[in-house]
Amino acid sequence: QVKLVQSGAEERRPGASVKVSCKASGYIFTGQFMHWVRQAPGQGLEWMGRINPTSGGADYAQDFQGRVIMTRDTSINTAYMEMTRLNSDDTAVYYCATNAATAMALDYWGQGTLVTVSS
Amino acid sequence: SLVLTQPPSVSVAPGKTARIPCGGTNIGSYIVNWYQKRPGQAPLLVIHYNVDRPSGIPERFSGSNSGNTATLTVRRVEAGDEADYYCHVWDAHTLRGMFGGGTKLTVL
Repeated sequence: QVKLVQSGAEERRPGASVKVSCKASGYIFTGQFMHWVRQAPGQGLEWMGRINPTSGGADYAQDFQGRVIMTRDTSINTAYMEMTRLNSDDTAVYYCATNAATAMALDYWGQGTLVTVSS
Repeated sequence: SLVLTQPPSVSVAPGKTARIPCGGTNIGSYIVNWYQKRPGQAPLLVIHYNVDRPSGIPERFSGSNSGNTATLTVRRVEAGDEADYYCHVWDAHTLRGMFGGGTKLTVL
């Protein structure tokens, strides 16, 4: 069965960087884009971007352009989301998600990774 | 660019029908998906391609999309349906995804 397993919770100081991983199994990793979505406390879902695991090319939401880098390692079926220049507004749960069984919807999600930014 | 607008909250009595709208200019020309989000859990896809239910989602959940409004309908609402619901669109022109602001469904 399809599974997305994310790395554990992280704490960072303002100005630091964080890298979250998402290990995929149960489907062809290079067959579907991997998306990243976050939810800050008390806020809604926010689409951050997506990466094409085959080419490594990524599309980013405007709010994250230049501060988020999405990469992947096809040898271990793992996608990564790195965010730089963190501030307190980046405190959120970060999810990876993919469309393994649907064309344009996110039908499989990781369990989420809490990133806390605090001085 | 497209902006998706949802009411912050919808309340309904058990057994009744809840309708959650998602507004956007000409949203009917886009494919809309809906997710259920409970605290501490990952989002769950409940409707995709405007009207399709993934395996395991009760038939009580249905979707529609036309003109400037997409709607998630939950019939015979149960206490367990209480959650936040988000509409979601993939814009193939801008290659960007977007979510509505979310609607909290309260079962009275």
